Amino acid sequence: AQSVTQLDSHVSVSEGTPVLLRCNYSSSYSPSLFWYVQHPNKGLQLLLKYTSAATLVKGINGFEAEFKKSETSFHLTKPSAHMSDAAEYFCVVSEGNNDMRFGAGTRLTVKP
Amino acid sequence: GAGVSQSPSNKVTEKGKDVELRCDPISGHTALYWYRQSLGQGLEFLIYFQGNSAPDKSGLPSDRFSAERTGGSVSTLTIQRTQQEDSAVYLCASSLFRPRRTGELFFGEGSRLTVL
Repeated sequence: AQSVTQLDSHVSVSEGTPVLLRCNYSSSYSPSLFWYVQHPNKGLQLLLKYTSAATLVKGINGFEAEFKKSETSFHLTKPSAHMSDAAEYFCVVSEGNNDMRFGAGTRLTVKP
Repeated sequence: GAGVSQSPSNKVTEKGKDVELRCDPISGHTALYWYRQSLGQGLEFLIYFQGNSAPDKSGLPSDRFSAERTGGSVSTLTIQRTQQEDSAVYLCASSLFRPRRTGELFFGEGSRLTVL
């Protein structure tokens, strides 16, 4: 069965500095991978997705993620953090059976 | 409505009581998921319905938990003999037929369950 591991439960960055949220996956098949974001007291929202097309995926709000099969990774990055990026981020993997398995989440804090 | 609707939004119950949580997915969405979100625990997969296929119940934590989906639309998650560790936010999400390809899960606002 598929699973994801988010390597950091909490990441803290200063505004204007790069963001890196790490995700490793385990899958027996060619997976689809996603990042979701949950702002405080808000619902979960799709940030970006990888579905076997381009390995570098661009999402909303300037976020990107790169699928690296050799490293079984799908890390989320952003060149310059903004205060509004403070949220909980979830890495998600899905195999052919269409179920979606979420990681434990990474809380991003952005300091002024 | 246009979105996924969950009720109740908040439920406080006593240990040992049964509770039912309801989810109305977006009309036309064939896939429906239940997740549990506990403080500091992320999202825990509970159960997945896809059309008329047998549901994937592999995430249900114990036999006190059950779920059904009537007519391919509304779903009810039932927790029997609630325990304090059942306290969490229960999230429902729905999707078009191929969520693996689109990744677009539409989440409800959740039902916060507190077991005293």
